[in-house]
Amino acid sequence: DTGVSQNPRHKITKRGQNVTFRCDPISEHNRLYWYRQTLGQGPEFLTYFQNEAQLEKSRLLSDRFSAERPKGSFSTLEIQRTEQGDSAMYLCASSPDLNYGYTFGSGTRLTVV
Amino acid sequence: GESVGLHLPTLSVQEGDNSIINCAYSNSASDYFIWYKQESGKGPQFIIDIRSNMDKRQGQRVTVLLNKTVKHLSLQIAATQPGDSAVYFCAETIAGYQKVTFGIGTKLQVIP
Repeated sequence: DTGVSQNPRHKITKRGQNVTFRCDPISEHNRLYWYRQTLGQGPEFLTYFQNEAQLEKSRLLSDRFSAERPKGSFSTLEIQRTEQGDSAMYLCASSPDLNYGYTFGSGTRLTVV
Repeated sequence: GESVGLHLPTLSVQEGDNSIINCAYSNSASDYFIWYKQESGKGPQFIIDIRSNMDKRQGQRVTVLLNKTVKHLSLQIAATQPGDSAVYFCAETIAGYQKVTFGIGTKLQVIP
């Protein structure tokens, strides 16, 4: 296990479709984070899991967004009824305990057309 | 790979020179600060961190300086190399909180 893995790397979808992204964190990391990054901006916090519990959600995470981490290992982020404004890079990160030296994945680039 | 550095402040330095990247943070309550490096097509990579009870911390070729009075952070890179070319983000948080707030990045271009 050499890092945080995200799939797919790229996703192009039509407006109104649902999409789901997957994140596999470093296996011994119990904390998992989702961030969103648009071109030219820094990442913005979306949500955080400690093991399987989703403990914090940003107001950026509208009701069209849902994240799960069912067994405290991998996580999925689903966006329903995608909008053009959802186009961004979706980054996943993990850490052992409360350690801000996150390890980020390479992200999933979503383009909504 | 795609660029994360569109329209960002850009710093160009000669290979071998020292680089200084500056950042103003926003929350006076923040007490933990991190610098990340992001190369094109990749996620951010942790470089160095500093707590508010310190004003300087050194790593390998990198030094972070913190001035809480004016809410300013800087990242110094010694003997800059082509591999240092990337976008650099400062980030702030309050120790114990989960959310990290990233600042506006700076694109570092190293001229061979």
